[in-house]
Amino acid sequence: DAGVIQSPRHEVTEMGQEVTLRCKPISGHNSLFWYRQTMMRGLELLIYFNNNVPIDDSGMPEDRFSAKMPNASFSTLKIQPSEPRDSAVYFCASSSRGGTTDTQYFGPGTRLTVL
Amino acid sequence: DAKTTQPPSMDCAEGRAANLPCNHSTISGNEYVYWYRQIHSQGPQYIIHGLKNNETNEMASLIITEDRKSSTLILPHATLRDTAVYYCIVRPPRAGNNRKLIWGLGTSLAVNP
Repeated sequence: DAGVIQSPRHEVTEMGQEVTLRCKPISGHNSLFWYRQTMMRGLELLIYFNNNVPIDDSGMPEDRFSAKMPNASFSTLKIQPSEPRDSAVYFCASSSRGGTTDTQYFGPGTRLTVL
Repeated sequence: DAKTTQPPSMDCAEGRAANLPCNHSTISGNEYVYWYRQIHSQGPQYIIHGLKNNETNEMASLIITEDRKSSTLILPHATLRDTAVYYCIVRPPRAGNNRKLIWGLGTSLAVNP
């Protein structure tokens, strides 16, 4: 299994530009999570999907952030317009609803730098 | 907010056991204790989880006190590759669509040669 795949691994952009982060979950997993990690705030859940449907987006910082999951094998997190304070590592994770508990499997992350 | 308290940092000698404590005094009867770790520049990695009984797998052992208010993750023979931030998380069993994990700041474990 290839694990959770994220692209790009690194992104450097200028303030005001649109940024799109991509995630391919593990095949067969039906939950997908987007996290943001910074030194100051640690690991924060932004949004998660069950069966491609957004369930909880209360962690999305503001309207500049949006996430979609058009099918079971792909999700995007978009920031428009980007700001320097969005600089962080963004992780995608997926899990399966099988069994009584679930384990989240994380991708390698996308390191975003907004200048 | 995270329902767990962990020491911010710990040291361990290579080859010795690393015992990482976690306090979760407000844990409810049906909430699980999960442990993840994050090696520098990588995504978090699942280690182990438990409800009431002690658990062991190829990576670690989890000891949960009888009152369930605290637990200890044990890495029996720590190696340099175990240097990472270790997160202890309390979460309810899957109920409907609730899949959230609330992450604290974890314990930064340094394994020294």
